Parts: sequence; C-alpha cells; structure tokens
Amino acid sequence: GENVEQHPSTLSVQEGDSAVIKCTYSDSASNYFPWYKQELGKGPQLIIDIRSNVGEKKDQRIAVTLNKTAKHFSLHITETQPEDSAVYFCASNSGAGSYQLTFGKGTKLSVIP
Amino acid sequence: DAGVTQSPTHLIKTRGQHVTLRCSPISGHKSVSWYQQVLGQGPQFIFQYYEKEERGRGNFPDRFSARQFPNYSSELNVNALLLGDSALYLCASSLQGAGGNFGPGTRLTVL
Repeated sequence: GENVEQHPSTLSVQEGDSAVIKCTYSDSASNYFPWYKQELGKGPQLIIDIRSNVGEKKDQRIAVTLNKTAKHFSLHITETQPEDSAVYFCASNSGAGSYQLTFGKGTKLSVIP
Repeated sequence: DAGVTQSPTHLIKTRGQHVTLRCSPISGHKSVSWYQQVLGQGPQFIFQYYEKEERGRGNFPDRFSARQFPNYSSELNVNALLLGDSALYLCASSLQGAGGNFGPGTRLTVL
C-alpha cells in the first residue's frame, strides 16, 4: 500500500520567516495531494491541495509544489504568523481512483512572535 | 452553511462494550469517510461510503462496521472495544472523492 513520509516532525520559525514541510509518497499512481492543518482539539482543516497534472499551486501565503518524478511534494508558508502554529499533515490518495487518503505523521509548526 | 457535524463529542466506554458514532455531512455531499487518529499520529482510513454503498475499507478488523443512510448521514460502529481503540474518530464529507472536509471528531476513551 501507499506510504507517506513527512519531515520534519517539529519546526520552529520566527514570525515573518518562511516554513517548508516536505513529504514523499511511494505509489506512482497517486494523483491527489492535500494538506491539512489541525489545531488542538479540532479536526483537520483542508488548506490547499494539488493534483498530479499541476506542478505548483498558490493561495495567498501558502503554496504547494509537486515533483512527480521524485515522488515528493512540499508545503511552503511565507510571512508566518503566530496563528499558523498548528500540526500540519500531508496526504495522498493512495493511487489513482482510490477513495482513501494516506496521511503523513504530521509536523508541529511553532511560530515564535 | 454548517460544516460536518459529529456526535457525541466525547465518550468513555469500558473494554468489551459497543459504541456508535454519528456523522452528518455538509449539505450536498454524498460521500462520507471515517478515519481513526491516535494521539501523535496522522489519521488512518477506516471506511468510505458513497450513495449508501461501501467504496473502500482500510486495514481494520471486522469489529468495525459502518453504514450510510438515505440522507447521507453515517454511523460508525465498533464492537468488543479494546484499550487500543481509544482515539479521535474523524468523519470527512466530500462530493465523491477522497478526503474532503473533516468534522471535529469524537474522542473515544476505552477503560
């Protein structure tokens, strides 16, 4: 089955700096890669996603890049703010046409004011 | 519009008991997925239902079952609870694909 590796497990940045979280996946047939933000005591919130026919996608301060050849994708957050502090999860759809997501183990991002 | 709702919020059970968790999807969403999230880990896929049919099942024992109703709400049932079933159970709704919008979860504690 699909395996998703996520790094780093923890990340501390100064407010205003950029943060980058990286994930690799194993199934070359995977074609959907969402990123979720989970705050304490809440369910995961979809913040951005990318499909395999696109190399990069941006939404304000958040961007995701995908390298299908290397089977890795990354989340980039610019101009970080304290409210960006949370656990971030990457996921992939476990192969084309699959209805399940396989998640990474998460990255705890701390933005220091 | 209301997001995905789940009930109850918290639940405490003892080993061997049975539990039923409920999920109401976003209006217009016909797919509901269930995930188990153990503390410190990413969510793990249990089931997906679409139009009341099971479309996918993760690597969970037969003690776990689910169903989807005509109004697209869903129930997750777990029989013969084990200590290891203690987790946050998440429901996600979507139009039909993987993932989607997650609810706040039900925190299950098995003693």
